[in-house]
Formats: sequence, C-alpha cells, structure tokens
Amino acid sequence: GQQLNQSPQSMFIQEGEDVSMNCTSSSIFNTWLWYKQDPGEGPVLLIALYKAGELTSNGRLTAQFGITRKDSFLNISASIPSDVGIYFCAGSTSNTGKLIFGQGTTLQVKP
Amino acid sequence: NAGVTQTPKFRVLKTGQSMTLLCAQDMNHEYMYWYRQDPGMGLRLIHYSVGEGTTAKGEVPDGYNVSRLKKQNFLLGLESAAPSQTSVYFCASSLHQGSYEQYFGPGTRLTVT
Repeated sequence: GQQLNQSPQSMFIQEGEDVSMNCTSSSIFNTWLWYKQDPGEGPVLLIALYKAGELTSNGRLTAQFGITRKDSFLNISASIPSDVGIYFCAGSTSNTGKLIFGQGTTLQVKP
Repeated sequence: NAGVTQTPKFRVLKTGQSMTLLCAQDMNHEYMYWYRQDPGMGLRLIHYSVGEGTTAKGEVPDGYNVSRLKKQNFLLGLESAAPSQTSVYFCASSLHQGSYEQYFGPGTRLTVT
C-alpha cells in the first residue's frame, strides 16, 4: 500500500534550537496534516494543508505543502521542553477522508 | 464538550478471549475511525465508518469487527484475541467526507498474553 517516509526518525536537540522534519511519498497527495502525540495521549492536530505550495503557521510551528505534492515539511522555531513528543505527518490521496500516517519523528529537547 | 472518549483505557486479555472497545464522540461527526499504533509503524487504519449504520475495512482489518449503531458511537470488537493484537488502539472522528481533520481519543492499551 501507499507509504509515507518521515525523517528523521528521532532528534535530540538543545532548548532554543530550531527543528526541521519532513515527510515524502511516491504518490501525489491532496492534503497534508501534522500531528503531535504526547506520551500516553492521542495525537493532536497541529496544522492542516490543502494546497500545493501552501505555507501555514501555528505559533512557533510552520508547515509547508510541497510544490510537487509529494512532500511536506514542519519547522519548529526556538524549541522549548514542552515540544517533546512524537510528530506525525499524515496525508490523503482521495476524497474518502482516510489518512495515511508516517512512522513519526520523536523529538527530545534538552533544557 | 468531551470530544472523543475511549473505554477502557487499559486491558489485559488472554489468548482466545473476546472484548469490545467503545469510542464515543459528542461533536456530531459523520466519520469515525479505528487505528492501531505499534512502535515504529505509525498509525494503521483498522476499520472506519462514513455514517451511522455503515462500516468499511481499512488497512489491517483481519481479526477485528466493528459496528456503528448510533452516530456518536463506534465499537471495535476482538472475537478471539491473539498476541499479535497487543497494541495501542485509537479512535478518531472527522466532520464529514470533505474534512480530513481527524480528532483522536486518548487511546486504549491492550495486552494479549
């Protein structure tokens, strides 16, 4: 089936540093979403992208829908300890509402 | 407004036992989903529903059944649990077909011994 490749798998950074992660697919997607999962909790929606080239921000988070429609990027600026968690990209190739999820990027922030 | 709730939060089963996981949402969403999450594999779709009385198979449906008798509830059943079904199960809902924004419950951690 379709797969999303998310990288890096994990990151260990210093508080205050900027973070970048990305998601790629061999298929064209018409929607990209980014979720964050805290330990022991369900994923929480951070940003949704619906148009190729779209750049959307949510506080210190910025995500982009790649122009080829086969990738998406998430940047976190000036990281803080509460940014710790697993970040998932998700995308859809159809109008069924079903999403395909990446494997996740685990972020650890050292105070 | 509780959003999406799941019961139970934890469960331990013996191989061959059956159980039902309950998902409830109070957002009047049409679509509901069941996922399983295993280490390093992201979230995989088990079954989903596009409305009351409807269900459809997802990516990994074998060994599971679902029912959506009421719009607000989506039940996931395991008829004969196997150790391979040890996982964390998440329910999610979205408003309608054109909405890809899914909202997740807190999860159920299931261990099958």
